[in-house]
Amino acid sequence: DGGITQSPKYLFRKEGQNVTLSCEQNLNHDAMYWYRQDPGQGLRLIYYSQIVNDFQKGDIAEGYSVSREKKESFPLTVTSAQKNPTAFYLCASQKTGMNTEAFFGQGTRLTVV
Amino acid sequence: GDSVTQMEGPVTLSEEAFLTINCTYTATGYPSLFWYVQYPGEGLQLLLKATKADDKGSNKGFEATYRKETTSFHLEKGSVQVSDSAVYFCAREAGGTSYGKLTFGQGTILTVHP
Repeated sequence: DGGITQSPKYLFRKEGQNVTLSCEQNLNHDAMYWYRQDPGQGLRLIYYSQIVNDFQKGDIAEGYSVSREKKESFPLTVTSAQKNPTAFYLCASQKTGMNTEAFFGQGTRLTVV
Repeated sequence: GDSVTQMEGPVTLSEEAFLTINCTYTATGYPSLFWYVQYPGEGLQLLLKATKADDKGSNKGFEATYRKETTSFHLEKGSVQVSDSAVYFCAREAGGTSYGKLTFGQGTILTVHP
């Protein structure tokens, strides 16, 4: 089955630590996205990539980093510079071009302890 | 810039009631419009979409019509069920060099009681 997989589903991090969230897709999509979801604030775009080896900052990129070495993979690192990292993180992928829907993973809930 | 505004929630209805969730978007270009649904603890799923003015998207009894004159894409369902309880997001496609990228509204929580 084609789809997009995020792991882990739940993640706990100590303050001051970096942590990496995994996102893999086998839909052959060129574009991939990372969103952060907080209660009452909808989805905010962190980073996106429209092609391998290239990515752009979204609206809230500070304290995050990404890489896109393979078409299938778009990992997100939450660094110690992110002041309030506790949130629900969603990864999505999409065919490039107009009028295309985004497909979402099941999300990773990150909690700083 | 591109933006989407949804009616504030939460919305609480009884089973079989009529549902409307309002959504308006900024009118730059002619974007495709989408409604996504999120069930508790899960990612988002596409509910319906419309790609041009006067198109009507429909799925699972939900409908939304692309209204260019009012820059709106309101979601409606004639008779809601308890299983429709979820968060609903309206989204528009970005324009320019970021084509395809989606901008989301803040989401509307719907709770349906038996």
